[in-house]
Amino acid sequence: QVQLVQSGAEVKNPGSSVKVSCTASGGTFSIYTINWVRQAPGQGLEWLGGIIPLLGTPNYAQRFQGRVTFNADASTSTAYMDLSSLRSEDTAVYYCARMGGGGAMDVWGQGTTVTVSS
Amino acid sequence: QSALTQPASVSGSPGQSITISCTGTSSDVGINNLVSWYQHHPGKAPKLIIYEGSKRPSGVSNRFSGSKTGNTASLTISGLEAEDEADYFCCSHAHSGTLFGGGTKVTVL
Repeated sequence: QVQLVQSGAEVKNPGSSVKVSCTASGGTFSIYTINWVRQAPGQGLEWLGGIIPLLGTPNYAQRFQGRVTFNADASTSTAYMDLSSLRSEDTAVYYCARMGGGGAMDVWGQGTTVTVSS
Repeated sequence: QSALTQPASVSGSPGQSITISCTGTSSDVGINNLVSWYQHHPGKAPKLIIYEGSKRPSGVSNRFSGSKTGNTASLTISGLEAEDEADYFCCSHAHSGTLFGGGTKVTVL
């Protein structure tokens, strides 16, 4: 049974960048899309985009184009999300999630809290 | 792209059935059958409960069912139980990208 384990909470200053990792264990990693989803306090879920580690080609949600970068290292079964030019509105819990068949996210990481504050 | 439209809250008594709607457009919900639903308890990771519109993953109670008509998908929870109290999100996956609904808080009275 595959599990996704994310890196720990981060506190960042406005204007800086944050990098969150997501490491898979117990299953196949590189052939599935790894999506990144966030939830700001009191808000709904928001899709940032995804990457297929085997191909290395990212797909970014339009509103995050130019500010987010996804990478993946198949040798360590780890995906990374880099979000730059942070602002207070980026304060959220960030999740990685594996996209299985039918576009559904069937395995989720535990979430990483990113707080942007001066 | 705007988020899919869900009611902010739905409530019901134990044993009752409730239905949550998820309205999109012909470019997302209406374009294919790739609608999924997630149950989200605060502080935990979301859990997939319906995929491809009406299919249940292994281990998910058959009290959860999904359907779709046109640009609106629906999630029905039958035989409501206290543990069903959570937030529920619909999600549409299309070539243009992936969209979530705004979420519906389910309260068990």
